[in-house]
Amino acid sequence: EAQVTQNPRYLITVTGKKLTVTCSQNMNHEYMSWYRQDPGLGLRQIYYSMNVEVTDKGDVPEGYKVSRKEKRNFPLILESPSPNQTSLYFCASSTSVRAGEKLFFGSGTQLSVL
Amino acid sequence: GQSLEQPSEVTAVEGAIVQINCTYQTSGFYGLSWYQQHDGGAPTFLSYNALDGLEETGRFSSFLSRSDSYGYLLLQELQMKDSASYFCAVGNFNKFYFGSGTKLNVKP
Repeated sequence: EAQVTQNPRYLITVTGKKLTVTCSQNMNHEYMSWYRQDPGLGLRQIYYSMNVEVTDKGDVPEGYKVSRKEKRNFPLILESPSPNQTSLYFCASSTSVRAGEKLFFGSGTQLSVL
Repeated sequence: GQSLEQPSEVTAVEGAIVQINCTYQTSGFYGLSWYQQHDGGAPTFLSYNALDGLEETGRFSSFLSRSDSYGYLLLQELQMKDSASYFCAVGNFNKFYFGSGTKLNVKP
């Protein structure tokens, strides 16, 4: 089954404790991206990757890191989480950003930073 | 910058037709997409307009007018399961931008 797998589904942590949210896709997609969703603000792109070892900032990259060492995996790293990073996070993949290429989303990670 | 505006909430009755509008300001984009998200779930793709005009997919249709910087999603024969949030989105070069979402409440 074609899917994007995100883990964990829920995560509670404390300020400053490094964490990683994993994302994996089995569709051989080149394009992967991370979003955060906050009430009233919709989805905002954090980082994206066009292919292995090619990553770039989205609209809200501050406080986040990513890596793309393999085509299927695109982890999101919070090296020193703060309470304003409490949010619902989604990973998504697509063949490309070009016309008609839809995004496939993971099931989401609800992060709470205390 | 990029901005997409949608109404925050729309209410309609089962069996009716509802239109969710999206106006955008963007320096250039490939096309306008629509996604559905149920409470607690992930967004799922509904439709895409690369060109001006109407695209129909079953009960859902989507429209784009680039000259008016405007698009809409039309849902016909509303069902209770259509109660969800709907987002318009544009892809611009290597980035995606989403509207803040419209919560659709379908009442019996």
